[in-house]
Amino acid sequence: DSGVTQTPKHLITATGQRVTLRCSPRSGDLSVYWYQQSLDQGLQFLIQYYNGEERAKGNILERFSAQQFPDLHSELNLSSLELGDSALYFCASSPGTGAQPQHFGDGTRLSIL
Amino acid sequence: GENVEQHPSTLSVQEGDSAVIKCTYSDSASNYFPWYKQELGKRPQLIIDIRSNVGEKKDQRIAVTLNKTAKHFSLHITETQPEDSAVYFCAARATSGTYKYIFGTGTRLKVLA
Repeated sequence: DSGVTQTPKHLITATGQRVTLRCSPRSGDLSVYWYQQSLDQGLQFLIQYYNGEERAKGNILERFSAQQFPDLHSELNLSSLELGDSALYFCASSPGTGAQPQHFGDGTRLSIL
Repeated sequence: GENVEQHPSTLSVQEGDSAVIKCTYSDSASNYFPWYKQELGKRPQLIIDIRSNVGEKKDQRIAVTLNKTAKHFSLHITETQPEDSAVYFCAARATSGTYKYIFGTGTRLKVLA
C-alpha cells in the first residue's frame, strides 16, 4: 500500500462530458503529481502541485485543469472529453517540491464511449 | 523541450541472465534520475535512483550507471528472475526553471523461465 488514494477506480462516460478525478497524497507528502498513461504507453507528466501551489506543468491540455486544496488532496478536472482521453490517470506524491514522484496511487481508469 | 529516450522497447532474457536498459536525456541541466517498475495492471514503483554527482549505484541485483558527458544512464539487472518481468521506466528531472520529471517510453522486460 503506497498510502496514495485515488478515486474513483473506474470511470465510464461519454464524449463531451466533464469528470473530476481525486487524489489524496500519502500522509506527510506535500507534492502531488498527475500522469496520464494511455494503453501500452509511457507516463505523460501533466502537472505538479506543492502545498497548494502549481510548481510544474507538462503537456496538459487546456481542457484539463487541476488544483490542490488546503488539506493537500488534489483534483484533476477533464472537460469536453474526447475518445483519445481514455487512459489510466495516476496520481503520485512526494515529501518535497523537488523530490521524485515516490508513491503512486492505483490510478483511475477513464473510458470514453 | 526536454526529452528522454529509452531503449529497447521490449527485452526478453533467460532466467539468470542479465538485462540492461538504456536511457538518453536531452536537458544537460538534469541532475536526478529515478527508475520505476510497473507490473501488469499495477502502479509504478520507484526501485532505484541516481544523482548527477554519482557515477554508479547498486542495490542488490539492481544497479544504475550514469554518464553525464554522454547524457546516458542505464539500469542493470543481474541474475534475473521471473518476478522481474514488468515494464521499466526511466525518468530525468529537469531543473531548468521547474522540477519536472520526464519519463522514458518504457521497456517491457520478459524473463523466460
